[in-house]
Amino acid sequence: DTAVSQTPKYLVTQMGNDKSIKCEQNLGHDTMYWYKQDSKKFLKIMFSYNNKELIINETVPNRFSPKSPDKAHLNLHINSLELGDSAVYFCASSLGRGREGRKTQYFGPGTRLLVL
Amino acid sequence: DAKTTQPPSMDCAEGRAANLPCNHSTISGNEYVYWYRQIHSQGPQYIIHGLKNNETNEMASLIITEDRKSSTLILPHATLRDTAVYYCIAGGSSNTGKLIFGQGTTLQVKP
Repeated sequence: DTAVSQTPKYLVTQMGNDKSIKCEQNLGHDTMYWYKQDSKKFLKIMFSYNNKELIINETVPNRFSPKSPDKAHLNLHINSLELGDSAVYFCASSLGRGREGRKTQYFGPGTRLLVL
Repeated sequence: DAKTTQPPSMDCAEGRAANLPCNHSTISGNEYVYWYRQIHSQGPQYIIHGLKNNETNEMASLIITEDRKSSTLILPHATLRDTAVYYCIAGGSSNTGKLIFGQGTTLQVKP
């Protein structure tokens, strides 16, 4: 009965490779997010989709491309991985009932990406 | 979204109340105060939020001062499992759901 799930949990890969992280939520939410937490533990938003439409796109390299096939899924594809991409990536979702609802977010367990 | 200021760390004895302060002196009238926590290696967890009135749920209580420039999260009976980083976030002026996490307060609950 996992609410927000991510796969894989761990991802170790070589520089230059392309990889994808998947996120699924079964809460019936209509807004999903990707956050990045670096080695200094700073947690920063990357993207957000509402009803499959991109609504937040922070200053993120073009190598990162989110894809939302439906409201319950938001995947993150990363091209040409670099050492600095090593981090924990968290997916989150919320019910987009205006300003208040959108900020009440439920997070997944995270994907720990290590680029060698 | 308004800037928030929290102490970097706090200790609390197990079974006692943990009171975590947050300053948000530039908060605007329509911005909510949200509290999240992150237990080691896990995803952030929503705790509670409020606008003007004090709020209580099964996890915690939120006390917001009358001028809304500061708030306190209260964990009434802290347990070892409450050891985590607690984030206070002031926001909601936009409709995007963007949460801006600061450094938070590392709460260490001790036996």
